Amino acid sequence: EVQLQQSGPEVGRPGSSVKISCKASGYTFTDYVMNWVKQSPGQGLEWIGWIDPEYGSTDYAEKFKKKATLTADTSSSTAYIQLSSLTSEDTATYFCARVPYGSHGVMDAWGQGASVTVSS
Amino acid sequence: DIVLTQSPTTMAASPGEKVTLTCRASSSVSYMNWYQQKPGASPKLWIYGTSKLASGVPNRFSGSGSGTSYSLIISSMETEDIATYYCQQCCSTPLTFGSGTKLEIK
Repeated sequence: EVQLQQSGPEVGRPGSSVKISCKASGYTFTDYVMNWVKQSPGQGLEWIGWIDPEYGSTDYAEKFKKKATLTADTSSSTAYIQLSSLTSEDTATYFCARVPYGSHGVMDAWGQGASVTVSS
Repeated sequence: DIVLTQSPTTMAASPGEKVTLTCRASSSVSYMNWYQQKPGASPKLWIYGTSKLASGVPNRFSGSGSGTSYSLIISSMETEDIATYYCQQCCSTPLTFGSGTKLEIK
């Protein structure tokens, strides 16, 4: 069974950083690209970017280029997103979602989401 | 960036009613994907490649469209279909989602 297990809720102070993990199981980690998606409270879905775990290559939406850093550890089949210089705008739930190569962006499995609350 | 506009924003349908959700793209796209999200849950892939149903999706759902206009259709509304549906364009980064259609039961 394919599973993407995300880390627990985070609370960060304004100006600080948080790092969320997404541990993959039930499939070969390097056979899929991992995407990250943001959902602000009561709002829709916003694509942050993706990482190819095999090569470490990344692509980001322009608005997240200075906010998010995507990494992956193939030895533990875990993808990470680090969010820096936190502001209240970063309070949201962050999802990881895998995409098969060549699938035209089809996010066929999602993590359960990790909430980030920015509060002083 | 390709902007996706979904309509309606919210709609209520009676059990058994046919439902059509629309997604319009600011530029032509080759395929459209759709996701279903229920409150407090992660989105689920629902329809991909414009018209292919994801695993486990009931066949009362269908997808169609091309170019800048796409639709998700429910042939006969059921209570379990209550959710928000998002379209997502496939092929141009940044990947973008529509703002969603919230489907309620009448």
